[in-house]
Amino acid sequence: EAGVAQSPRYKIIEKRQSVAFWCNPISGHATLYWYQQILGQGPKLLIQFQNNGVVDDSQLPKDRFSAERLKGVDSTLKIQPAKLEDSAVYLCASSKWAGRVSGANVLTFGAGSRLTVL
Amino acid sequence: QKEVEQNSGPLSVPEGAIASLNCTYSDRGSQSFFWYRQYSGKSPELIMFIYSNGDKEDGRFTAQLNKASQYVSLLIRDSQPSDSATYLCAVKSSNAGGTSYGKLTFGQGTILTVHP
Repeated sequence: EAGVAQSPRYKIIEKRQSVAFWCNPISGHATLYWYQQILGQGPKLLIQFQNNGVVDDSQLPKDRFSAERLKGVDSTLKIQPAKLEDSAVYLCASSKWAGRVSGANVLTFGAGSRLTVL
Repeated sequence: QKEVEQNSGPLSVPEGAIASLNCTYSDRGSQSFFWYRQYSGKSPELIMFIYSNGDKEDGRFTAQLNKASQYVSLLIRDSQPSDSATYLCAVKSSNAGGTSYGKLTFGQGTILTVHP
């Protein structure tokens, strides 16, 4: 089973520039997550999709961040304009579904995209 | 109060000892609890999950859950230097965005160092 694919692995931009990250989840996984992990902290959920619908985006800074999951498969996370505090690793994860009590809601993470904003 | 709290450590144990990692959570409706391990520069990988009160064992790892106390722990027996990593506790809340889909919230992680 292929894992969660993410690109690019590394990106360096200057503040106020824009950046986009791409994620391809495990085949058949209905739920897709974007997490932001700042150095020394745990992952913070930015947005959660169920198929191509948004389930939770309460912590997504919507004035600068946007995400979409067209056709319920691949997803793109965009930041525009970037700020210094956006420097982090952006982790994409997927699970079969997001039910409350089930091993099927175990998340598998991609390798992450490391963003440095100068 | 943070939704999921862990001692950030670092926790240092000698090789062969038992490492005990603790986590508390605030949402009483939480149903599923996960432990992930994250090596430096890598993404989190699942160790185990638990959703019933009591203990669950998998090899050298034992997860313990006490919903009344809103407490979950991970014990690592016969700790090895290769266990040195950050351990993340994650809790699936009762719902996300008003739906029936759970939202997975992570703690800040505990750094574990196992020294020879």
